[in-house]
Amino acid sequence: SQTIHQWPATLVQPVGSPLSLECTVEGTSNPNLYWYRQAAGRGLQLLFYSVGIGQISSEVPQNLSASRPQDRQFILSSKKLLLSDSGFYLCAWEQGGAYEQYFGPGTRLTVT
Amino acid sequence: GENVEQHPSTLSVQEGDSAVIKCTYSDSASNYFPWYKQELGKGPQLIIDIRSNVGEKKDQRIAVTLNKTAKHFSLHITETQPEDSAVYFCAASIPNTGGFKTIFGAGTRLFVKA
Repeated sequence: SQTIHQWPATLVQPVGSPLSLECTVEGTSNPNLYWYRQAAGRGLQLLFYSVGIGQISSEVPQNLSASRPQDRQFILSSKKLLLSDSGFYLCAWEQGGAYEQYFGPGTRLTVT
Repeated sequence: GENVEQHPSTLSVQEGDSAVIKCTYSDSASNYFPWYKQELGKGPQLIIDIRSNVGEKKDQRIAVTLNKTAKHFSLHITETQPEDSAVYFCAASIPNTGGFKTIFGAGTRLFVKA
């Protein structure tokens, strides 16, 4: 069966520091991968999606970037965090050609 | 642009009663409509979905209906239990390059009182 992992689970970072969040998927190959951000009490905002290694599409211009160095690895990064980057970051995967999208456990980021 | 509106934002029901959450979408190209349940501090969990060629789908105590003409879809939970308390999100997916673009509603916080 497929599983999706995210780490770290929680993170507290000062403004201006760098960020690296990692997402990995097991039990599948060539998945579509997604990064979402969820502000407190709000819905999900799509940040990036990837249909293959090195292929990244950005949905919202912002202080963040994404990379996919391996088939089942998706990384969310920032060079300098802003207070507004605080939130709950969710990675999701979807088998190419299928509809169902499955979420990881999330990373709660607090920028102080 | 694409938009999904979800109502109500908060819903409180007595245990055993039914709960209904409604969503509307704007893009007629949407062809897949999933519903997610999110418990506090966890990632959303896919609980049921419906495709555009189906009007209704049921799985035990939960059911979804879709009206493509009106661009409405709804989640129905019968015989609610305290463990149903969570935030529920609807979504509408549109075919996109190599995959789908999924737009989420703002969520409904459901409280089931014992």
